[in-house]
Amino acid sequence: EAQVTQNPRYLITVTGKKLTVTCSQNMNHEYMSWYRQDPGLGLRQIYYSMNVEVTDKGDVPEGYKVSRKEKRNFPLILESPSPNQTSLYFCASSSVNQPQHFGDGTRLSIL
Amino acid sequence: LAKTTQPISMDSYEGQEVNITCSHNNIATNDYITWYQQFPSQGPRFIIQGYKTKVTNEVASLFIPADRKSSTLSLPRVSLSDTAVYYCLVGVTAAGNKLTFGGGTRVLVKP
Repeated sequence: EAQVTQNPRYLITVTGKKLTVTCSQNMNHEYMSWYRQDPGLGLRQIYYSMNVEVTDKGDVPEGYKVSRKEKRNFPLILESPSPNQTSLYFCASSSVNQPQHFGDGTRLSIL
Repeated sequence: LAKTTQPISMDSYEGQEVNITCSHNNIATNDYITWYQQFPSQGPRFIIQGYKTKVTNEVASLFIPADRKSSTLSLPRVSLSDTAVYYCLVGVTAAGNKLTFGGGTRVLVKP
């Protein structure tokens, strides 16, 4: 089954404790992207990637890192999480010029 | 990505047709129009995409006038399960591009 898989789905952690949210897709898509969604603010893009080793900043990249060492994986790294990064996160992937497939989301709570 | 304007919310009743219009005055020649549906705490799901005239699939229809400065998503005979937020995106909307989702249209289907 074609899918975008995010892990974990839920996480409660504390300020400053590094965490990684993994994203994996099994559709051989070139493109991948991370979004966060907050009440009243809609979906905001954090980072996106056009291919392996090619990443770029979206609208809200501060406090986040990404890497794209393999085509199928696009982890989101919070080196020193803060409470303002409490949010619902989505990973997405697509082929060139095709609509995006989204994961089921990761709900992060940072205390 | 072209700026889009769509209504914040719409109410409807089961069995009715729902039409959501999106304005995109500065659409570029190569831009496509893409609609997504999002249920609470789930990732957006692709509904339909078009370039001009009319596109229809098993879920919805998309009407695009000749000047392409607006588009209308039509959901025939809605049910309670169509209650969701609907987003209109205009441009190259693959995951490997810088993208901005607007606020979307919250559709509430009543019994």
